Amino acid sequence: DAGVIQSPRHEVTEMGQEVTLRCKPISGHDYLFWYRQTMMRGLELLIYFNNNVPIDDSGMPEDRFSAKMPNASFSTLKIQPSEPRDSAVYFCASSDIDGNNSPLHFGNGTRLTVT
Amino acid sequence: GDSVTQMEGPVTLSEEAFLTINCTYTATGYPSLFWYVQYPGEGLQLLLKATKADDKGSNKGFEATYRKETTSFHLEKGSVQVSDSAVYFCALRSGGYQKVTFGIGTKLQVIP
Repeated sequence: DAGVIQSPRHEVTEMGQEVTLRCKPISGHDYLFWYRQTMMRGLELLIYFNNNVPIDDSGMPEDRFSAKMPNASFSTLKIQPSEPRDSAVYFCASSDIDGNNSPLHFGNGTRLTVT
Repeated sequence: GDSVTQMEGPVTLSEEAFLTINCTYTATGYPSLFWYVQYPGEGLQLLLKATKADDKGSNKGFEATYRKETTSFHLEKGSVQVSDSAVYFCALRSGGYQKVTFGIGTKLQVIP
């Protein structure tokens, strides 16, 4: 089991550019979560999916952020246009179908820096 | 809505000291409770969990007991090591859509 795989590991971009973060969940997991972590705000849930369908996107900061899950093995988080305040570590996590007992399995994150 | 409150850090302890990190929660229904640990440059990892009242989760010398009457899930370890230095997150999972709610995280630093 390779675990949750995120790419890229680091991303540096200029303000106004489009940024796409990628996530491959653990095979067989049917929940996928996107989190953002900053020193100021801690760990924030952005959006999560069940069986590729978005369940709750209330944490998405604004229309500049969008997330998709076209199939069970891939998800993207896109920021367009990016701003310096988007600088953070973005984590993807997945879990299986054992109800509320299932823990989340996290990737190692993408550190985004917007200059 | 659901919420998790945990003590703010940082917590600094000497090696072999006793550790307690407090965690309380509010939730509808019957949540499962978790402690996660995050080492520098890594994602969160599950440390232990408890799925019903009075359950005790344990792993690597850490323990936490699901106390429904006090809505608490305090993390304890009898003798910490330098390698335990990390950020610890309390979390709950509940509801039909199994939403996960995290606390703010508590940074632990263990000095030799």
